[in-house]
Amino acid sequence: QSALTQPASVSGSPGQSITISCTGTSSDIGAYTYVSWYQQHPGKAPKLIIYDVSKRPSGVSNRFSGSKSGNTASLTISGLQAEDEADYYCGSYTTSSTLVFGGGTKLTV
Amino acid sequence: QVQLVESGGGLVKPGGSLRLSCAASGFIFSDYHMSWIRQAPGKGLEWVSYITTTGSNTNYADSVKGRFTISRDNAKNSLYLQMNSLRAEDTAVYYCARGRYSSTVGGQGTLVTVSS
Repeated sequence: QSALTQPASVSGSPGQSITISCTGTSSDIGAYTYVSWYQQHPGKAPKLIIYDVSKRPSGVSNRFSGSKSGNTASLTISGLQAEDEADYYCGSYTTSSTLVFGGGTKLTV
Repeated sequence: QVQLVESGGGLVKPGGSLRLSCAASGFIFSDYHMSWIRQAPGKGLEWVSYITTTGSNTNYADSVKGRFTISRDNAKNSLYLQMNSLRAEDTAVYYCARGRYSSTVGGQGTLVTVSS
């Protein structure tokens, strides 16, 4: 199972909005509404911030939003804050009953 | 609050074995599918395995199939990963995660280092 494709890096200024894309195939992102996004600060464990394409776990800021179109998913962060600087990973359930992750995107604020 | 405390990592020689454990609290363990994911030093996330609520179904990444075995004990609120025939490329931080279609990580992971 090949990894999902994410840009290596994105950047934005405080207060701006950014979008991170995640491209898969009809066997993963395109097959189900089981797309997830994770935030990971250096030296810390990954934190689930979006699941089922666009749902936020309790306690996650509504500045984070997710969407999907075809085989591509997107994470949008609005009102960028310095604390948003982290690595972001997308994930998708697959038709092989596995979970596949993207390579990660480093967000610089 | 979901708490998942991993243990059992350490330094092991190539070809050796380790058994990872994960103690769960803060939620009804038996209601959730569970997974293991890992992260090699400086690399991205990699899904390893999942197990369904009763343990009746499991699946593995191709990279560990036939070498790793996931199991659970709902009476003990615990998840396990038996790792055999370890290779250098298995070196990673291993995280226990709640869920099958997404992963809620609740701990800091346990480091497994495979080296001679």
